[in-house]
Amino acid sequence: DIQMTQTPSSMPASLGERVTISCRASQGISNYLNWYQQKPDGTIKPLIYYTSNLQSGVPSRFSGSGSGTDYSLTISSLEPEDFAMYYCQQYDSSPPTFGAGTKLELK
Amino acid sequence: QVQLKESGPGLVQPSQTLSLTCTVSGFSLTSYNVHWVRQPPGKGLEWMGRMRYNGDTSYNSALKSRLSISRDTSKNQVFLKMNSLQTDDTGTYYCTTLGAFDYWGQGVMVTVSS
Repeated sequence: DIQMTQTPSSMPASLGERVTISCRASQGISNYLNWYQQKPDGTIKPLIYYTSNLQSGVPSRFSGSGSGTDYSLTISSLEPEDFAMYYCQQYDSSPPTFGAGTKLELK
Repeated sequence: QVQLKESGPGLVQPSQTLSLTCTVSGFSLTSYNVHWVRQPPGKGLEWMGRMRYNGDTSYNSALKSRLSISRDTSKNQVFLKMNSLQTDDTGTYYCTTLGAFDYWGQGVMVTVSS
């Protein structure tokens, strides 16, 4: 199985700050990488698919990039509703696997 | 409007079988895959298995011996059955389409306890 290493595991940040979350795959995944946001009530919201494509309705302050084994999610200016858990997920090969998550916390 | 909704018992006894239903609307099960993903309390997400649009299934190898996924296209439902439950199967279970067409249910909490 492909292992996804997500860093950092937690990140204190301030409103308006620009933040980047990283995700490294144990082997190349050809850009087959999604990002998800999870709120404390368990609701999971898809943010980005195929490395850099925003899901419908996702604000443009979210962006994704990367290639090969290294990928990242950037939020350009944090809003109050952005403080949540974030997960990357690869779907290059089965089984699809997730990173362990990054908790974005208010500083 | 695309929706997925999980349903099932909140409490299952150890060694028993878990049965969950994912009821979908707004799309056809013969056009999109439906996956099951679970999350133990305070932990990350684990892919369990998938019902493909054509009726084929695939499973996480760690769960394959205990897991079965089926569907009823006439009722727009996908089913998960997992036997020999243990306490570490406690968690929230989600059904989702994943991928570019990516929608998730709200999840259903399952507790394995006597």
